[in-house]
Amino acid sequence: DSGVTQTPKHLITATGQRVTLRCSPRSGDLSVYWYQQSLDQGLQFLIQYYNGEERAKGNILERFSAQQFPDLHSELNLSSLELGDSALYFCASSAGTGGHNEQFFGPGTRLTVL
Amino acid sequence: AQSVTQLGSHVSVSEGALVLLRCNYSSSVPPYLFWYVQYPNQGLQLLLKYTSAATLVKGINGFEAEFKKSETSFHLTKPSAHMSDAAEYFCAVSDPKDDKIIFGKGTRLHILP
Repeated sequence: DSGVTQTPKHLITATGQRVTLRCSPRSGDLSVYWYQQSLDQGLQFLIQYYNGEERAKGNILERFSAQQFPDLHSELNLSSLELGDSALYFCASSAGTGGHNEQFFGPGTRLTVL
Repeated sequence: AQSVTQLGSHVSVSEGALVLLRCNYSSSVPPYLFWYVQYPNQGLQLLLKYTSAATLVKGINGFEAEFKKSETSFHLTKPSAHMSDAAEYFCAVSDPKDDKIIFGKGTRLHILP
């Protein structure tokens, strides 16, 4: 158990809909990262927040947005969903910033768009 | 830009045999390098990391990796494979000044009885 929790575990929805994925980092970790894992694209970094502020951005679509709240939990919002958005979405957390920090991954949310 | 190439999307070894998973990286600055493992239906777990100290890095579960700058490689090895090592392994690279980690496509390790 990494200490990172993600809800829900599974999500099935229809094209055009909007969903929210939630992540609670390990106790004391200030950084939260979001990743998308799909068969064709592999594991793609989406976005990172540190202590409530956006820190780094990766291959995140404009239809996707995220935020980190004062209690440090984070939410990833996916809107106008398309079939291609079906994937595993992972959240990870680390103590601070910097590439040397170990990231601890949650169990993931499997999103299926029908 | 940084990148990671993992040679072989699937590798099969017999139980008790040497495990060798290959990773080559591209980076304009001395990188940090990582190996993560993903067991079925689980998130990723750090096996080991290189952060410019010793070039031979020992990790959990008997795995180790050697940083070879001249070959831009960071191959993962384990002397004797166990059935429990069956999983997907990801090599990753990051810039010391950057928080982003770039992952390779992954190598699925199969252990044959």
